[in-house]
Amino acid sequence: AQTVTQSQPEMSVQEAETVTLSCTYDTSESNYYLFWYKQPPSRQMILVIRQEAYKQQNATENRFSVNFQKAAKSFSLKISDSQLGDTAMYFCAFMRSIQGAQKLVFGQGTRLTINP
Amino acid sequence: EAQVTQNPRYLITVTGKKLTVTCSQNMNHEYMSWYRQDPGLGLRQIYYSMNVEVTDKGDVPEGYKVSRKEKRNFPLILESPSPNQTSLYFCASSLRQGYSGNTIYFGEGSWLTVV
Repeated sequence: AQTVTQSQPEMSVQEAETVTLSCTYDTSESNYYLFWYKQPPSRQMILVIRQEAYKQQNATENRFSVNFQKAAKSFSLKISDSQLGDTAMYFCAFMRSIQGAQKLVFGQGTRLTINP
Repeated sequence: EAQVTQNPRYLITVTGKKLTVTCSQNMNHEYMSWYRQDPGLGLRQIYYSMNVEVTDKGDVPEGYKVSRKEKRNFPLILESPSPNQTSLYFCASSLRQGYSGNTIYFGEGSWLTVV
């Protein structure tokens, strides 16, 4: 069974600092997708970044980047120059198709607080 | 505007009183699913549907029913709600089944409290 583990329940950094959220996953699949979602206090689910497993290059989206280590099954999220608006719960998620059905498996979440 | 719309957004109900959470998407998506979010557990899939009249169980289907009579709608039915179904519920949709790179669109969530 696929599992996703986020080992940091909570993190707190000062504004403008860089922070890295960790995520590990377990799968026997060779091709899959990984995601980071942001959930601000509004509870909306916002896609932050996506990584395709067959692509070696790490995905980046402005201040957000990932460190994808396929052999280690690790998928960490780095937020550079953190801003107050980055305060949110962050979920790592794994997706693959099972008999045509897309299934997202989420980690437990990391609550990130950016302090002024 | 591409949207997944859930109703109600907030509901407090009593044990055993049947309720339905509606979900509608305006993107002509084939694939729709329901998740519940609980502290320390992340989001877990309840049911999913690959197209009209095609539904199947996710990881935590007990106590829930779904139907997919129209492509745009995917209601979640709690026939006899219990307090352990108190949770935040998300409906989600995506364009095409079978391609795991599709963008998943989430609704805004429905807070359900069963007392």
